[in-house]
Amino acid sequence: ETGVTQSPTHLIKTRGQQVTLRCSSQSGHNTVSWYQQALGQGPQFIFQYYREEENGRGNFPPRFSGLQFPNYSSELNVNALELDDSALYLCASSQRQGPNEKLFFGSGTQLSVL
Amino acid sequence: DAKTTQPNSMESNEEEPVHLPCNHSTISGTDYIHWYRQLPSQGPEYVIHGLTSNVNNRMASLAIAEDRKSSTLILHRATLRDAAVYYCILRAPPNFGNEKLTFGTGTRLTIIP
Repeated sequence: ETGVTQSPTHLIKTRGQQVTLRCSSQSGHNTVSWYQQALGQGPQFIFQYYREEENGRGNFPPRFSGLQFPNYSSELNVNALELDDSALYLCASSQRQGPNEKLFFGSGTQLSVL
Repeated sequence: DAKTTQPNSMESNEEEPVHLPCNHSTISGTDYIHWYRQLPSQGPEYVIHGLTSNVNNRMASLAIAEDRKSSTLILHRATLRDAAVYYCILRAPPNFGNEKLTFGTGTRLTIIP
């Protein structure tokens, strides 16, 4: 089975720009979550999509938005980039199974905002 | 979300067992205990999870205290590949909009050759 893939692996943007990050879920998974990981910190939950609908959101402003497509791939969009948005962005896919659900993470996109 | 407490760092010798502790004194009766690890330059990787009973899989064992206020991840024979940050996470029962993992800062495990 194919794993979770994210693109691009690295990205450099300037403050005020917009960025789109992409994620291809593992085969058979219907749920995708996005996390932001600052240097030296654990990942922080941004939001989750289940069957193309947003299903939970963390403490992130509306300029962070997302999409999930019928093939369960996903995008994370960030508008009006700020310097503090520099981080590793992780995508995780899963098959909803309640508390037994296991998340499968991609290797992330390293975003640098200058 | 109930909080977990882990040591910031630990060291262990290669081929020795490793016991990674986690305290979760405010755990609720329905919270599952999950462990993930993050190898350098990779996303987190699922290791193991449990509710009340001790659990074993091919990667590790999870020992859960009888009062569930603490747990220990056991790597039976550490290899250099086990050097990673290990996260102990409490997962509540599913509730629409509540299916997130709350990561702390984890324990950075260093394996000494």
